[in-house]
Amino acid sequence: GDQVEQSPSALSLHEGTGSALRCNFTTTMRAVQWFRKNSRGSLINLFYLASGTKENGRLKSAFDSKERYSTLHIRDAQLEDSGTYFCAAGSNSAGNKLTFGIGTRVLVRP
Amino acid sequence: DPKIIQKPKYLVAVTGSEKILICEQYLGHNAMYWYRQSAKKPLEFMFSYSYQKLMDNQTASSRFQPQSSKKNHLDLQITALKPDDSATYFCASSQGRGGAETLYFGSGTRLTVL
Repeated sequence: GDQVEQSPSALSLHEGTGSALRCNFTTTMRAVQWFRKNSRGSLINLFYLASGTKENGRLKSAFDSKERYSTLHIRDAQLEDSGTYFCAAGSNSAGNKLTFGIGTRVLVRP
Repeated sequence: DPKIIQKPKYLVAVTGSEKILICEQYLGHNAMYWYRQSAKKPLEFMFSYSYQKLMDNQTASSRFQPQSSKKNHLDLQITALKPDDSATYFCASSQGRGGAETLYFGSGTRLTVL
């Protein structure tokens, strides 16, 4: 079945710095979504991409369906960016059934 | 205010019992879903419903039965509970226009089966 490989599994950042999360897909995906789990345990949708890049504040995401990967960049990290980030994607045959990555636990330190 | 309400937030059950997980969404969406996250595993798709009709079922066991009494409700009944059913169960919804859509999730019900 469809597989999503997310890396790294954990990431520690100092405030003001940046880094990138990555998801590789074993098959061609139609679209990718990125989520962050908030303090209440809800999954907050950060991005939906069918192609190209999107930016929202200090977050930027890219999706390349042909090369089978997506990235999420965090710049100028703030303490409130700490949390677990998930990518999820669906193939053309999957309808709206998403396959999730294992998650990246991000810790932003002062 | 949360737009997708899941109840209860925590649930402890004994092996062999039956429980119902509640999900209501107030986003006006037509499609609803259940996902499950077991320890150390990614979220896994279980069911999708569109206009109260089952669209996809990836759950092998018939012990898991979704119930949709209203368009904005999709409860999950689990019978003959087993310790392996312990997981956090997430409800989600989307507009339901078809194809790949942005998903909105609830905060989950953490089920522990003893």
